[in-house]
Amino acid sequence: DTAVSQTPKYLVTQMGNDKSIKCEQNLGHDTMYWYKQDSKKFLKIMFSYNNKELIINETVPNRFSPKSPDKAHLNLHINSLELGDSAVYFCASSRGSLDSSSYEQYFGPGTRLTVT
Amino acid sequence: AQKVTQAQTEISVVEKEDVTLDCVYETRDTTYYLFWYKQPPSGELVFLIRRNSFDEQNEISGRYSWNFQKSTSSFNFTITASQVVDSAVYFCALSSNTGNQFYFGTGTSLTVIP
Repeated sequence: DTAVSQTPKYLVTQMGNDKSIKCEQNLGHDTMYWYKQDSKKFLKIMFSYNNKELIINETVPNRFSPKSPDKAHLNLHINSLELGDSAVYFCASSRGSLDSSSYEQYFGPGTRLTVT
Repeated sequence: AQKVTQAQTEISVVEKEDVTLDCVYETRDTTYYLFWYKQPPSGELVFLIRRNSFDEQNEISGRYSWNFQKSTSSFNFTITASQVVDSAVYFCALSSNTGNQFYFGTGTSLTVIP
């Protein structure tokens, strides 16, 4: 069974479009995350979210928004895509809620987004 | 400020050699957590180990071992008798209870040559 899954695996789109990446976890975790990994493999957290709190990395443009229909899902919606948004986006989840930073994270397989 | 430094960008070793990946961290928090993750060529991120700031005991898991030293703010990772399957990018990460933030190092790309 896949613990953290993401769809699609690859996403190619044009500048200015709006797109969404879906993430689901079946681990029963309370907190989910989105990360961006650039071409140099640098990993940066974008959001962490549980049913009590959304923490946004201040460097993330407001074109990016997480949407959580329920505890097992955290989708990433991106408006007005730009060339610089091209990257691999990883979803992750962990135990805990307000103390989730004390636990390890389990990552999805990643979504490679290419903006042309 | 919170920061993780992995000074070794790329390392190449011959199979069966031992290799140590360095990780130095900065934090003002007294309670914090350190992690290592592996990213093989297939791209997924795999959790390897978690350590909290109050537990300086070193850990060994098969060919993997970790040396946590608060005095030097380091959390180094050693692979003994390396194998080709160890080829991957390895990330060290830091988190704390304040702000629910995670900080990854820039990663060390390890190539094990057969």
